[in-house]
Amino acid sequence: QQPVQSPQAVILREGEDAVINCSSSKALYSVHWYRQKHGEAPVFLMILLKGGEQKGHEKISASFNEKKQQSSLYLTASQLSYSGTYFCGTEKDNFNKFYFGSGTKLNVKP
Amino acid sequence: EAQVTQNPRYLITVTGKKLTVTCSQNMNHEYMSWYRQDPGLGLRQIYYSMNVEVTDKGDVPEGYKVSRKEKRNFPLILESPSPNQTSLYFCASRTGDQEETQYFGPGTRLLVL
Repeated sequence: QQPVQSPQAVILREGEDAVINCSSSKALYSVHWYRQKHGEAPVFLMILLKGGEQKGHEKISASFNEKKQQSSLYLTASQLSYSGTYFCGTEKDNFNKFYFGSGTKLNVKP
Repeated sequence: EAQVTQNPRYLITVTGKKLTVTCSQNMNHEYMSWYRQDPGLGLRQIYYSMNVEVTDKGDVPEGYKVSRKEKRNFPLILESPSPNQTSLYFCASRTGDQEETQYFGPGTRLLVL
């Protein structure tokens, strides 16, 4: 029941855009997105609930396609500080078991 | 300051010696979880708790116990640790609101010899 994330790794130059995808074979209640820097705890970015929606803050946004059970994280005009590993997390009911994807390692170079 | 604290941060122990990792949150959150993180396997949920005295198994509960006697505390107990429990452990908490942030503790790095 672990969601599938792609790609596994991305290398960008500052200012370039990236898309990270997360898909599930099960019907989802919500999708979370997190960023984790090396040696640190994951940091929550945003949550999307079933019903299909798009959210964003600053240059990071995400969408959730409930029909396809897919979510995408959009990073635009990337900055050095965006480097890290991005995880999606999913649950099929509110506050139930939680599953993380395997992660996407993002490296933004000057 | 809103935070989740874990202790100890680092622990080296031997096979079979019972240990407890404590977790405490100061945000009055109802939902708390324990995760382990291993290279190549990502983060996997061990146990979660929806409120005091309500706990349930996550994806990888074998070899672990938890208790939730108070809202703020959610200790993780390894009754008889084994080397395959060597891992990085994170505690996390959320409120009962649908869109609330999930906060993670700083992590506990455990080595079982």
